[in-house]
Order: sequence, then structure tokens, then C-alpha cells
Amino acid sequence: QVQVVESGGGVVQPGGSLRLSCGTSGFTFSNYGMHWVRQAPGKGLEWVAFIHFAPNNMYYADSVKGRFTISRDNPKNTLYLQMSSLRAEDTAIYYCTTYNNDGSSYYMDVWGKGTTVTVSS
Amino acid sequence: QSVLTQPPSVSGAPGQRVTIPCTGSNSNIGADYVVNWYQQLPGTPPKRLIYGDTNRPSGVPDRFSGSKSGTSASLAITGLQADDDAEYYCQSYDGRLSRWVFGGGTKLTVL
Repeated sequence: QVQVVESGGGVVQPGGSLRLSCGTSGFTFSNYGMHWVRQAPGKGLEWVAFIHFAPNNMYYADSVKGRFTISRDNPKNTLYLQMSSLRAEDTAIYYCTTYNNDGSSYYMDVWGKGTTVTVSS
Repeated sequence: QSVLTQPPSVSGAPGQRVTIPCTGSNSNIGADYVVNWYQQLPGTPPKRLIYGDTNRPSGVPDRFSGSKSGTSASLAITGLQADDDAEYYCQSYDGRLSRWVFGGGTKLTVL
């Protein structure tokens, strides 16, 4: 069964740091690009970052560029999001999701239940 | 402000048909990047509903359909049911911004 499980969320003060993890199983992790997507309380979905399956290509939303770093450990089947200089507006549920393709189109496929990050003093 | 524009809400009675538009621009939908749709029930993660503009994953009823024309896409739901009451998001890629983009979401209320 294909599964992704996020962890590492919590309450952190403004300016602080946090590292999120996304453990995966049921598929060949090293063959898939992965995204982080977040959802602030009562708000819509916001794309955060993407890492290619060959982990040299990473992309970031402008709102997190320079503060967040996406990485992956293919032997451990795990995706990470290192977050620093956190702001109140980073408060959200953070989801990791696989990036699949069927040969002609790409889509975000398997989503975890998310991990909650609260930035507050 | 989202790069893709959706109405905040739509509603319909059981059995009716509703459509949810998603308006983009020449750098995303109009550049022929695919549009995907996700359904999010309260308190749950998003679920893939339509991918590659018009395709349904296995298990998604054929009451759900997607279309695309020019710089816009649309999700149609026929034969509305109570459990269609959810938030719906369109998603694409923007070549000018070099990032993935979501619509702001549309809350469907089944009356």
C-alpha cells in the first residue's frame, strides 16, 4: 500500500527552526519527485517546494525561498523540509505528496495526513 | 491572490449539475500545462479527482468530469450527492513563474 506519513510539526517561536520529515512506503521512492504543500488555517492550498527524484533539482515558492530547504534521503525513503527564520504566516498544515505521471501528464498523487506547524510566541 | 482564479463558493441541490471554473493565463493553462483537480473533505488531506485536464483516477465516479479551453478549465459534477459537499482546487504549472500553482479553492455546498 502506497503511503506517505509526515512528522516533525510543532509549536515554534518566530525566528525559530523546525525540520519536517515525510516517511514513505509501498513504492520506489527514488523514482519519484516529491512536493511539500501547505494549508494555513481556514485557507487554501499553497505549493511550497519540489525536489526531483535525482535530488539536485529543487524549486521553491517565493514565500519560502532562502528560508526553507527541501531534501531527500533515497536509501531511507524519506523526504525532508528544513524550515528556518519561521514567521507567523508559516503556520499551516504541511503535506507531502508524490509527483506522478502517466506518460502524458504530471499530478500530485498520494498525500499524507499532514503535520501541523504553529509559529507563535 | 492565487494565480488561478476560482469562485469562492457554488451550490446546488441533490441531483443537479454544477460547474466550477478555473481561470488562468497564457503562462499556465493557456501554455497548455495540464490542469489537475483535487477534492478536500473537511479535516482530510486533498484527494486527486481529475488529472491531465480530463482524466479520472480509478474509483472516481463518472459524475465528475474536467475540461479545458484556452486559458480556463472547468470541473463539472452531475447528479449532485450529499457527500460531494467539499472544497475543490484546480492546480497547474506556471512556466513564467517556474512554480506549481493552485486555485484559491471553491466550496461546494449541496443544499
